[in-house]
Amino acid sequence: EAGVVQSPRYKIIEKKQPVAFWCNPISGHNTLYWYLQNLGQGPELLIRYENEEAVDDSQLPKDRFSAERLKGVDSTLKIQPAELGDSAVYLCASSLVGQANSPLHFGNGTRLTVT
Amino acid sequence: GNSVTQMEGPVTLSEEAFLTINCTYTATGYPSLFWYVQYPGEGLQLLLKATKADDKGSNKGFEATYRKETTSFHLEKGSVQVSDSAVYFCALSGGNTGFQKLVFGTGTRLLVSP
Repeated sequence: EAGVVQSPRYKIIEKKQPVAFWCNPISGHNTLYWYLQNLGQGPELLIRYENEEAVDDSQLPKDRFSAERLKGVDSTLKIQPAELGDSAVYLCASSLVGQANSPLHFGNGTRLTVT
Repeated sequence: GNSVTQMEGPVTLSEEAFLTINCTYTATGYPSLFWYVQYPGEGLQLLLKATKADDKGSNKGFEATYRKETTSFHLEKGSVQVSDSAVYFCALSGGNTGFQKLVFGTGTRLLVSP
């Protein structure tokens, strides 16, 4: 099966500019996640979707970050405006069911550099 | 809150050496425990998991046992290969974090030389 696809792979922008990341989960996976991975750190959850609904967005900085998952398939994560501290890898993951022991499948991530 | 603590890296080993990467956790309830691996330039991949106390997860020669009494889930491999060089993340889910909210450790980089 095809894995989780993310684009772009790399993005370099100047501060205060907007940026968007796209994720296509594994077909049939109803749960989608966006994680933030800072250099040398483990991933941290930003938002989790069950189908179209954002069921956990408590860690998403809502003043500048937004996300959507139209039709419960693809998802986009947007930052506007970007700040220097947003430089990191943004990971998308999906899973089949919302149970604690169901594994997540991760994409390769988008590495964002804000200058 | 829930948390995961891993040993700092890098861990540098020669091929065929024995590997241990320590992982301890803090959680309420009964979390599931995971090891994920991230090869250079790739996304995280599930390596193994254990869902209850005394379970042993295993895959590709790696093993980890869920020890509730010591709140640990140490990763081991009897004979590492150069191709095992990667970053390894310990993670937990469940307990009071809710379903499918993985909490990751900071990762441990493994470097295996020929």
